[in-house]
Amino acid sequence: DAMVIQNPRYQVTQFGKPVTLSCSQTLNHNVMYWYQQKSSQAPKLLFHYYDKDFNNEADTPDNFQSRRPNTSFCFLDIRSPGLGDAAMYLCATSVFGRFEQYFGPGTRLTVT
Amino acid sequence: AQTVTQSQPEMSVQEAETVTLSCTYDTSESNYYLFWYKQPPSRQMILVIRQEAYKQQNATENRFSVNFQKAAKSFSLKISDSQLGDTAMYFCAFTTTGTASKLTFGTGTRLQVTL
Repeated sequence: DAMVIQNPRYQVTQFGKPVTLSCSQTLNHNVMYWYQQKSSQAPKLLFHYYDKDFNNEADTPDNFQSRRPNTSFCFLDIRSPGLGDAAMYLCATSVFGRFEQYFGPGTRLTVT
Repeated sequence: AQTVTQSQPEMSVQEAETVTLSCTYDTSESNYYLFWYKQPPSRQMILVIRQEAYKQQNATENRFSVNFQKAAKSFSLKISDSQLGDTAMYFCAFTTTGTASKLTFGTGTRLQVTL
């Protein structure tokens, strides 16, 4: 089945230690998104790629960066995680012009 | 800026009953799309139903239907014959055309289906 895959599902990192979260998709969608979702809150868009075109949200901290080496993969890098970055990170994809998004299962990040 | 408001943080319904979740939104755009997403506990978010603003007919997907009132900017979700598997957080979301489908989410309604 075509899907959105996130690895790892659970990630523990230390305060200030860089961490990378991974997302891959078999849907061949040209748009990929990263969201941060804190407990019992709505997902908050961090950035998205339309093909290789990177689009950062105005309030996304500089600590968060992303890479999309090809259509299938997208990475979220947190350069120096703080305790406030502990959250669920959701990856989603869509086809430009189709509007609905397809979500991965998420990576739950714990910062110790 | 677009906003989405879900005024019911939590709701409960008995199995086989019907429940309606409320959502209102605010936008100055004329072309947009509305969605209900379901996020079960510890499971991934899935699309329940979508509504195009230009369509007057309310969308339905099996037991799920919406009441779309464009003038009132209201978009409620009705779940008929509720099942235990419907227990989840439900998010109302909005996007406009030409924004690479960037979603604006409401704060969610936690629905508990009980026996």
